[in-house]
Amino acid sequence: AQSVTQLDSHVSVSEGTPVLLRCNYSSSYSPSLFWYVQHPNKGLQLLLKYTSAATLVKGINGFEAEFKKSETSFHLTKPSAHMSDAAEYFCVVTWQGSNTGKLIFGQGTTLQVKP
Amino acid sequence: GAVVSQHPSWVICKSGTSVKIECRSLDFQATTMFWYRQFPKQSLMLMATSNEGSKATYEQGVEKDKFLINHASLTLSTLTVTSAHPEDSSFYICSARAGTGDYTQYFGPGTRLTVL
Repeated sequence: AQSVTQLDSHVSVSEGTPVLLRCNYSSSYSPSLFWYVQHPNKGLQLLLKYTSAATLVKGINGFEAEFKKSETSFHLTKPSAHMSDAAEYFCVVTWQGSNTGKLIFGQGTTLQVKP
Repeated sequence: GAVVSQHPSWVICKSGTSVKIECRSLDFQATTMFWYRQFPKQSLMLMATSNEGSKATYEQGVEKDKFLINHASLTLSTLTVTSAHPEDSSFYICSARAGTGDYTQYFGPGTRLTVL
């Protein structure tokens, strides 16, 4: 079975400090992994995705994530947080070869950025 | 690229009326579209998957007679909430996927439905 666990429901950082949002997945098949961001009352915006190419994936707005198969992890990082990064972040998995393309969502991590 | 729009962005209706929400892929053809529901401070819950020209596949527990989905073209899917009641009030989000081999879903901005 496929599942995603976001290890922190809430992360608080100061502006200018690094961000780490943790995600572990479980998949019987080769996974495709995504990070999405959602600002209040908005839809989801794709930050980055891993689909079996380079394990270090760079996304928009300075975010990146590293796929570690041995640790079944796909943590999201950013060197320096900005106030505009405050939002809800979702780690998402699907599996390559899926007929339906259904996404499995983590429960989300709320990122708070303090001035 | 890969922009998905939804209309309306918010709607208020009276109990017992029906509401239609449109989801459009603006710059790509969407072979598959998805409809989600999101409760406050929760993750997204998949309601149904629709492929162009086919009947939608509903998730367990979702009433297909209440939530009618039509995917008439490669750029448009609609969700109609029939005989809406206050418990149907929610944030509805659609997404679109370009085609086979790419599992990326691009999300619309969402529709806030309030049923009085």
